[in-house]
Amino acid sequence: QVQLKESGPGLVQPSQTLSLTCTVSGFSLTSYNVHWVRQPPGKGLEWMGRMRYNGDTSYNSALKSRLSISRDTSKNQVFLKMNSLQTDDTGTYYCTRNYGGYSELGWYFDFWGPGTMVTVSS
Amino acid sequence: DIQMTQSPASLSASLEEIVTITCQASQNIGNWLAWYQQKPGKSPQLLIYGTTSLADGVPSRFSGSRSGTQYSLKISRLQVEDIGIYYCQQASSTPPTFGGGTKLELK
Repeated sequence: QVQLKESGPGLVQPSQTLSLTCTVSGFSLTSYNVHWVRQPPGKGLEWMGRMRYNGDTSYNSALKSRLSISRDTSKNQVFLKMNSLQTDDTGTYYCTRNYGGYSELGWYFDFWGPGTMVTVSS
Repeated sequence: DIQMTQSPASLSASLEEIVTITCQASQNIGNWLAWYQQKPGKSPQLLIYGTTSLADGVPSRFSGSRSGTQYSLKISRLQVEDIGIYYCQQASSTPPTFGGGTKLELK
């Protein structure tokens, strides 16, 4: 069945770089887009960026200067790197699959990982 | 960016009651709208996409509709398992943006 799972350090120091991995199973990264969405504690959802099925990327302009998304299709993994972290980057980070595969029937998110909590603190 | 304004921010309802949550888009998004449910400590779950289409496995008591740039999620008979936070999301343009959420509680 379709599964996504995020992994990474739970604690990052201010000004440092966050590196997260999303490991997927049950579908191919060459057939589906994968997105990153984050959620500060007790707050709403913010779209961060996307790895398209063909390897293209898109980023939220608010984060674009700090954010990089890449992948390793042989390992079924999508990576997120974000630099210059600050305390307001604290939150739960999710990877999520785009509904519809390469048909791209809209940026709807049909399967989500359980999320990984990231705390930015010294 | 397109702003999505949800109302109410919180809602208390009784079992079997009809519940309606609304989402106002700051500009025309057509039918490019989704609804998600998030239970405490869990990731969001897709309920509805394309304004009215039910995602796989979602009970038929959930439905979506649209009037202009206002979108609604209706739960026809509230059940215990429906408690959580509901988010709308526009998929019309980049970046996709979410509403602030509606917290649904049992009365």
